[in-house]
Amino acid sequence: QVQLVESGGGLVKSGGSLRLSCAASGFSFSDYYMTWVRQAPGKGLEWIACISNTGDSMYYADSVKGRFTISRDSAENSLYLQLSSLRVEDTAVYFCARGLGVLTVYVPLDFWGQGTLVTVSS
Amino acid sequence: EIVLTQSPGTLSLSPGERATLSCRASQVLAASYLAWYQQKPGQPPRLLIYGASRRAAGIPDRFSGSGSGTDFTLTISRLESEDSAVYFCQQYGNSPLNFGGGTKVEI
Repeated sequence: QVQLVESGGGLVKSGGSLRLSCAASGFSFSDYYMTWVRQAPGKGLEWIACISNTGDSMYYADSVKGRFTISRDSAENSLYLQLSSLRVEDTAVYFCARGLGVLTVYVPLDFWGQGTLVTVSS
Repeated sequence: EIVLTQSPGTLSLSPGERATLSCRASQVLAASYLAWYQQKPGQPPRLLIYGASRRAAGIPDRFSGSGSGTDFTLTISRLESEDSAVYFCQQYGNSPLNFGGGTKVEI
């Protein structure tokens, strides 16, 4: 069955960096676009980054562009999110998710991991 | 960027009743690229509906979606206690692929 398991979250100071990982299994990882979505405590969902199945194309929300970098390693079946220049407002649970079917960023998200919490202190 | 506005903020209903949730987009959505997700406390979101009206795999037929253009609706007929959750809509036709603010359904 499809499984997505995030790791790498933790407590970091403002201005610091962190690298999140998402281990994928149960499907052909290299056939799917992958996305990161975050959720601040008690708040709604925010789409933040997406990467094509080949890793050639990346898409970012304006709120993280220039500070976060999405990448993937198909040999490891893993998705990554490098977080830099962190701000207090980046505090959130970070979910990785798989795009449904078609090879484009413009798809809904059909499987999600449980998320990893990133806390940025001032 | 497209902004999605969900209403009401909270819906309190009884088991067996029908729930009607609204999602309004600030611009016409291309090809009805609108999805609905259910999120229970401590869990990730779960895809319910995509393409405005197509049920995702394994979703009971109590859940249905409708609408086009800028106005979309999620209907949950015959509410069950397990349907207590927050429901989010998402447009995926334009980047950034924004979500609405959510509707909390209490049963």
